[in-house]
Amino acid sequence: DAGVTQSPTHLIKTRGQQVTLRCSPKSGHDTVSWYQQALGQGPQFIFQYYEEEERQRGNFPDRFSGHQFPNYSSELNVNALLLGDSALYLCASSPAGGGGYTFGSGTRLTVV
Amino acid sequence: GESVGLHLPTLSVQEGDNSIINCAYSNSASDYFIWYKQESGKGPQFIIDIRSNMDKRQGQRVTVLLNKTVKHLSLQIAATQPGDSAVYFCAEREPFGNEKLTFGTGTRLTIIP
Repeated sequence: DAGVTQSPTHLIKTRGQQVTLRCSPKSGHDTVSWYQQALGQGPQFIFQYYEEEERQRGNFPDRFSGHQFPNYSSELNVNALLLGDSALYLCASSPAGGGGYTFGSGTRLTVV
Repeated sequence: GESVGLHLPTLSVQEGDNSIINCAYSNSASDYFIWYKQESGKGPQFIIDIRSNMDKRQGQRVTVLLNKTVKHLSLQIAATQPGDSAVYFCAEREPFGNEKLTFGTGTRLTIIP
């Protein structure tokens, strides 16, 4: 049973560019959340998708957007990248009833 | 893999001893709490959870204690092993359909052989 799968594992982008990160949830999970983890800090909630809609959003600018597909997989898009967007981006999936959050290994984004 | 946290609080424990990791949470309304373990280059791994209507829960070699009066969580790891070396985070979830997890700053646990 595959857990949460994220791609790519590492990415280097130039300031001002756009990036798309991908996540496949754990089998049986239909809710996907995205977190940003800066070095030396705990993960911070970006947003959550359920039934292909953004259900809840954290304190992140509109440059951060997402999408969920009918197969429950999800994408995180970041536009106009800033140096401060460099971080580990984590995807977590959970079943519809809540709880049981399972994290992927993340995508390490470096903005230069 | 890259280091998860370079300036986190640290705890060094002799192999075989018990470890206690503490966490202060922020919202008195939070109704669900989780402890995660994060190894270098990996995502957070679930260890144990507890709901706000409980004050103690035990798993295999781990125990979580919840003190709602002072908004404090602790994770006890019995008979620590080298594989327990990692960064440990507590996370809280607010009630009323809120699915957002708020993480603490983390503690780096190092097991001394």
